[in-house]
Amino acid sequence: KAGVTQTPRYLIKTRGQQVTLSCSPISGHRSVSWYQQTPGQGLQFLFEYFSETQRNKGNFPGRFSGRQFSNSRSEMNVSTLELGDSALYLCASSLDGNRNQPQHFGDGTRLSIL
Amino acid sequence: AQTVTQSQPEMSVQEAETVTLSCTYDTSESDYYLFWYKQPPSRQMILVIRQEAYKQQNATENRFSVNFQKAAKSFSLKISDSQLGDAAMYFCAYKNDYKLSFGAGTTVTVRA
Repeated sequence: KAGVTQTPRYLIKTRGQQVTLSCSPISGHRSVSWYQQTPGQGLQFLFEYFSETQRNKGNFPGRFSGRQFSNSRSEMNVSTLELGDSALYLCASSLDGNRNQPQHFGDGTRLSIL
Repeated sequence: AQTVTQSQPEMSVQEAETVTLSCTYDTSESDYYLFWYKQPPSRQMILVIRQEAYKQQNATENRFSVNFQKAAKSFSLKISDSQLGDAAMYFCAYKNDYKLSFGAGTTVTVRA
């Protein structure tokens, strides 16, 4: 069974631009979560999608948004990029997001802001 | 809000020896799950082991085992017979209904 696939693997953008990251979950998984990983803040929860609906959201500004499609694939968008948005963005999937289910992670997208 | 604390930024272990990574957490819930994830330089987060809070028996997965002390809110990971491939950053994580809360991580170095 294929794992979680994130594209692209690397991105370089400049301040003020916007970016879209993509995540394809494990087949059959309907819950997709996004995390931001930085050296200073560690791993922080961004949001979780299930059945095309955002169910939960972390403490991030509105510049961070996402969506989920009917095939459970998810995209994350960051608008008006800031230097502090440079990070590794990780996507994780699980069957339906219940607490007893581990989340399976992709390789991440490394976003660098110049 | 749940907080997860890993007090050891770095640990070094000789190949074939044992190393224990500590983790404490804070929660007011009684039903939750705890996980250890490994992140090698390739950066993919890999699930190592999980523990259900309502189970007293400590989880074991091959060379990896945990010492779960619910009253003390402690969840340590023991890596036995350490191998060079175990070198990575290890994250302790707490899961409630929908999200994982991670500790800051412990970098494990394995000496040949």
